[in-house]
Amino acid sequence: GAVVSQHPSRVICKSGTSVKIECRSLDFQATTMFWYRQFPKQSLMLMATSNEGSKATYEQGVEKDKFLINHASLTLSTLTVTSAHPEDSSFYICSAPTGTDYEQYFGPGTRLTVT
Amino acid sequence: GNSVTQMEGPVTLSEEAFLTINCTYTATGYPSLFWYVQYPGEGLQLLLKATKADDKGSNKGFEATYRKETTSFHLEKGSVQVSDSAVYFCALPLNRDDKIIFGKGTRLHILP
Repeated sequence: GAVVSQHPSRVICKSGTSVKIECRSLDFQATTMFWYRQFPKQSLMLMATSNEGSKATYEQGVEKDKFLINHASLTLSTLTVTSAHPEDSSFYICSAPTGTDYEQYFGPGTRLTVT
Repeated sequence: GNSVTQMEGPVTLSEEAFLTINCTYTATGYPSLFWYVQYPGEGLQLLLKATKADDKGSNKGFEATYRKETTSFHLEKGSVQVSDSAVYFCALPLNRDDKIIFGKGTRLHILP
């Protein structure tokens, strides 16, 4: 079946540094990908919609300059957390629609810890 | 607008107990409905789905029936196992290739 991968699975960084998270669709093309953030024991919060070849669409309250999204190809979207702070520590998950039956496949998530 | 409401957890059951997690939705038209499961430390996996009214989705012993008259998609399992401990999300896709509306998730603990 369709697979979405994320890299890295875990990352620890220091305050003030930037971290890039990759989301790849492994056996299908995705013109659209979604980025979610999940706080401990809470639901997923949609951050933005990543659009191949154009600007990302951000949800209300999500800082565009803080969370940079680039969708450079039909199989890769990246989320860069710029000038990270401890409050950015979270579990970040991406997803991509497969184009059939409204399904989306989710990546395994990236655990970001900012110290 | 479109929304999903599911029962809040955590839900704690003993092994082999019967499970129901309620989910109701508000939507225009006749959307597909999904249940996703998230095991500890992992991403989401599609558990089951239904694409039209009266459809029953099933997988791994779990079932959910798309009930248009009650706008519900309750998740059930007749005999739960410890390995079913996870967070379950009811979900409503808005359109093909569009974002998904998730319920808040229900954490399930199964005791041996």
